[in-house]
Amino acid sequence: DTAVSQTPKYLVTQMGNDKSIKCEQNLGHDTMYWYKQDSKKFLKIMFSYNNKELIINETVPNRFSPKSPDKAHLNLHINSLELGDSAVYFCASSRWGGRTEAFFGQGTRLTVV
Amino acid sequence: QQQVKQSPQSLIVQKGGISIINCAYENTAFDYFPWYQQFPGKGPALLIAIRPDVSEKKEGRFTISFNKSAKQFSLHIMDSQPGDSATYFCAAHGSSNTGKLIFGQGTTLQVKP
Repeated sequence: DTAVSQTPKYLVTQMGNDKSIKCEQNLGHDTMYWYKQDSKKFLKIMFSYNNKELIINETVPNRFSPKSPDKAHLNLHINSLELGDSAVYFCASSRWGGRTEAFFGQGTRLTVV
Repeated sequence: QQQVKQSPQSLIVQKGGISIINCAYENTAFDYFPWYQQFPGKGPALLIAIRPDVSEKKEGRFTISFNKSAKQFSLHIMDSQPGDSATYFCAAHGSSNTGKLIFGQGTTLQVKP
């Protein structure tokens, strides 16, 4: 049973489109994250939610809007996609407090053409 | 101050050899230093982690050495195996309890048979 699952695994779309990535965790964690991994494999946090409340927003463009309907789900909606949005997006979860293991999903490879 | 610098960018080691990856940080408020391992097409997974009040932590063939005064830490992989071939990321967590991880740039390790 997958701990952190993301859908879709691959997403190819045209510039200007709107797309969503879904994430679910079954670990009972109360904190969830979105990370972006660029073409050089650099990982950077985008957002973090704790108990459905946004606690980190790393100056990500407004076109990116996370939504957490409950503790186990964190979705990412992206409006007006740009070429530079092409990357691998990882969802992760952990217990609150930070000094603990973060579990990552398998990633969503987004390609904007 | 929020950066973690990792080196080398890539590393080739013979089977049975020792792989060493180094990281340096500036922010003395960082309080947790995990290493993540990532295989192609997969999400990062926690390998081993250390807190700054400990100078060394060993788990099987993997050892973290931590030098608080120098603000440096390193991962040593003893008896490196081809199955260890992956990308390794060091990371640091701040003291804010948010769980935000700041990652190094990653090291691609290839272990030759």
